[in-house]
Amino acid sequence: QVQVVQSGSEVRKPGASVKVSCKASGYTFTSYAINWVRQATGQGLQWMAWVNPYSGDAGFAQKFQGRITITMNTSISTAYMELSSLRSDDTAVYYCARRAAAGYWYFDLWGRGTLVTVSS
Amino acid sequence: DIVMTQSPDSLAVSLGERATINCKSSQSLLYSFNNNNYLAWYQKKPGQPPRLLISWASTRESGVPDRFSGSGSGTDFTLTISSLRAEDVAVYYCQQYYSTPPYTFGQGTKLEIK
Repeated sequence: QVQVVQSGSEVRKPGASVKVSCKASGYTFTSYAINWVRQATGQGLQWMAWVNPYSGDAGFAQKFQGRITITMNTSISTAYMELSSLRSDDTAVYYCARRAAAGYWYFDLWGRGTLVTVSS
Repeated sequence: DIVMTQSPDSLAVSLGERATINCKSSQSLLYSFNNNNYLAWYQKKPGQPPRLLISWASTRESGVPDRFSGSGSGTDFTLTISSLRAEDVAVYYCQQYYSTPPYTFGQGTKLEIK
């Protein structure tokens, strides 16, 4: 079954970091870029970052530059997104999403999301 | 960054009636070299991840009912649900993938039953 499975909910205090995982199965992990998109409560979808599991190339929305780190473990088909210096407005559901095809940045396969709550 | 603006923000339509959602981009999403519009539509239900409905402005994904259709070109796009069903209640988002990152979404349109 083609899917991406994310890690479970997290609670962090302001200033801390969180690391969310995204494990792919049912397809060749290195053939499709993984993207990270978040949705704060009552808000819309916000694209955050991408990583190419084959090359390791990555890119980030300017809003998250300096706070976001994307890593991978290709041996277990898993991508990770770490967000640091958390603030209350980082409380959101974080999704990983597969890019549909090389060069075409729409997203055909989504994880179920990871709720990250930032609260003191 | 390309700004995507949807209208209306919310919409109430009777079952069996047509629902129309608009999406406008701050610059053209049409690549002249291939005549493709780099615009996708997603459906988002509470507690579920977004579901890709349409890519290239008008190409329906496999398994998406044919009551969903996309149209438009350049900067103005439309998602139409020809005959609303109860299971179509959701928030709908457009997304541009024309430019280098960020790949921006519209603010969403909430579709409800009248």
